[in-house]
Amino acid sequence: GEDVEQSLFLSVREGDSSVINCTYTDSSSTYLYWYKQEPGAGLQLLTYIFSNMDMKQDQRLTVLLNKKDKHLSLRIADTQTGDSAIYFCAEIRYSSASKIIFGSGTRLSIRP
Amino acid sequence: DTEVTQTPKHLVMGMTNKKSLKCEQHMGHRAMYWYKQKAKKPPELMFVYSYEKLSINESVPSRFSPECPNSSLLNLHLHALQPEDSALYLCASSQERPGVNEQFFGPGTRLTVL
Repeated sequence: GEDVEQSLFLSVREGDSSVINCTYTDSSSTYLYWYKQEPGAGLQLLTYIFSNMDMKQDQRLTVLLNKKDKHLSLRIADTQTGDSAIYFCAEIRYSSASKIIFGSGTRLSIRP
Repeated sequence: DTEVTQTPKHLVMGMTNKKSLKCEQHMGHRAMYWYKQKAKKPPELMFVYSYEKLSINESVPSRFSPECPNSSLLNLHLHALQPEDSALYLCASSQERPGVNEQFFGPGTRLTVL
């Protein structure tokens, strides 16, 4: 299909790890991204992974990429209340200009 | 300066009004984007300007008219909008060359059409 898919909601306890999953569509995407959107704000690039990598770690964030299954995941270690936000995975597609296609977004809520 | 600024932050307009949204960046980026985001939905691409030329129009109705006066500015002119056009309008910019191509987003303009 044409859509980048994510589950809509995730609730985790403060201090636990959060894992957000995504299935993308375009196997030729050279980069895959995770963006974060806090309430009332624009989007902020959290991290990205190049398509020839399987894993990327950046402080509390770990991105795993399974190209065969077109599956991307974002793990947030030691989840804090400030991590509450909507997380969008995204792929890049090239036509007359590059454009980023966003997944449906996963709303992460943190419980004490 | 790694900021994309958008004005106004909020806009309420009637269906017969004409208004404009403005976006500015001073990062030397050569690609600029307009997105529309409805509540609880991902951003939907509307337009892409690359080197000040319109390169992508995602079949957006003509009541939305983009303009790129120079490489730092991007406008979205609005005329005869419908209530269903109420949304958060996001502007973004990127370097538009091979590489990570990170898009930097502004905070958005929240538009309400009465």
